[in-house]
Amino acid sequence: DQQVKQNSPSLSVQEGRISILNCDYTNSMFDYFLWYKKYPAEGPTFLISISSIKDKNEDGRFTVFLNKSAKHLSLHIVPSQPGDSAVYFCAASRGGSNYKLTFGKGTLLTVNP
Amino acid sequence: DTGVSQNPRHKITKRGQNVTFRCDPISEHNRLYWYRQTLGQGPEFLTYFQNEAQLEKSRLLSDRFSAERPKGSFSTLEIQRTEQGDSAMYLCASSATTGTVSPGYTFGSGTRLTVV
Repeated sequence: DQQVKQNSPSLSVQEGRISILNCDYTNSMFDYFLWYKKYPAEGPTFLISISSIKDKNEDGRFTVFLNKSAKHLSLHIVPSQPGDSAVYFCAASRGGSNYKLTFGKGTLLTVNP
Repeated sequence: DTGVSQNPRHKITKRGQNVTFRCDPISEHNRLYWYRQTLGQGPEFLTYFQNEAQLEKSRLLSDRFSAERPKGSFSTLEIQRTEQGDSAMYLCASSATTGTVSPGYTFGSGTRLTVV
């Protein structure tokens, strides 16, 4: 059973516009959430994270929103750039960031010039 | 120290053969993780070490799989009697639980295993 779900396999946006990637989870014990970005032939790269005690975390062009009641989080990228084109994975953990992660299947983001 | 290093990058092996992968984590990181990623899926947790102690193993890690981290530095993942279903990308990651803790692991580039 998928405890972390990314229901959109792909997303295409224009350069300069907002990209919104969504993630849902089912395990209410998860207390830490992370987004990773992955280019082909490379390992995932950490992007941004959020603890369950917060509902928003911002880092430059990237903002993650957490809605615990809906068990939903989203990653906003504003403005989107062609270099953002990659697969984005949502991940969740019980017990903080230095513990095993449960990943979603990923969303392929394509930013068109 | 430029990051997490995994060797080899690619491995093609015949069914039934044994294979071993190596991971060199970031030197000051005391935790080391192994994940497996198959096509169209996200990485799946296999096991992790704190220093040389293996603290948790996933049920995905069958008896044919063994991981070690003998001196709390590099780690090896061995698969015995490989099967076609073992074909995947094997990812290693490391993190620190002491000192300046940054959220999120640092992953290596992975070892792609193809069993023919």
